[in-house]
Amino acid sequence: EPEVTQTPSHQVTQMGQEVILRCVPISNHLYFYWYRQILGQKVEFLVSFYNNEISEKSEIFDDQFSVERPDGSNFTLKIRSTKLEDSAMYFCASRPRQGSDEQFFGPGTRLTVL
Amino acid sequence: AQSVTQLDSHVSVSEGTPVLLRCNYSSSYSPSLFWYVQHPNKGLQLLLKYTSAATLVKGINGFEAEFKKSETSFHLTKPSAHMSDAAEYFCVVSGTYSGGYQKVTFGTGTKLQVIP
Repeated sequence: EPEVTQTPSHQVTQMGQEVILRCVPISNHLYFYWYRQILGQKVEFLVSFYNNEISEKSEIFDDQFSVERPDGSNFTLKIRSTKLEDSAMYFCASRPRQGSDEQFFGPGTRLTVL
Repeated sequence: AQSVTQLDSHVSVSEGTPVLLRCNYSSSYSPSLFWYVQHPNKGLQLLLKYTSAATLVKGINGFEAEFKKSETSFHLTKPSAHMSDAAEYFCVVSGTYSGGYQKVTFGTGTKLQVIP
């Protein structure tokens, strides 16, 4: 069964460094999402992406964040200058088409900022 | 406006006894509702979903949930808890609006502890 994959599973970085989290959504899906979950807290929406542009973003998704679908298969989340508070689990999700409500989640990337 | 409330942050049951995890929602539109499970250090796994078909929804691992519009609830149940059910459970409400825009809201999660 097709599934969303994410790499790496765990990323450790120094404060101020740039990180890129990678996701490969399910191949025929059209809508893509990033969420984060700070340890012990609930899952929070970051951004949604459709037709090669951001369709919605939360207040968390500031200028330090960007998303890209560089080659038609990968969907990346970049954090330009990481802060300690960016440490979290980041989940990618994809959705097949308009009218389908279910999002399919990847296993997550745990980001640790030191 | 859309929100979801999980009434219990922690639930503890004995192995073999019933499980009830409570979820209430509010939505301006006819929502879809989901329950996801997250085992320690793992991703989110879909347990079951309600998308305006049958109000009693059966999911994986013996879980089921009943959509009650009059009570705006979507509680998750299982007749007999197993040790492997120990995890965190998230109730999620989703609405799709004009233009295909979808809003997804997660509850705060309920940690289920199963006592041997």
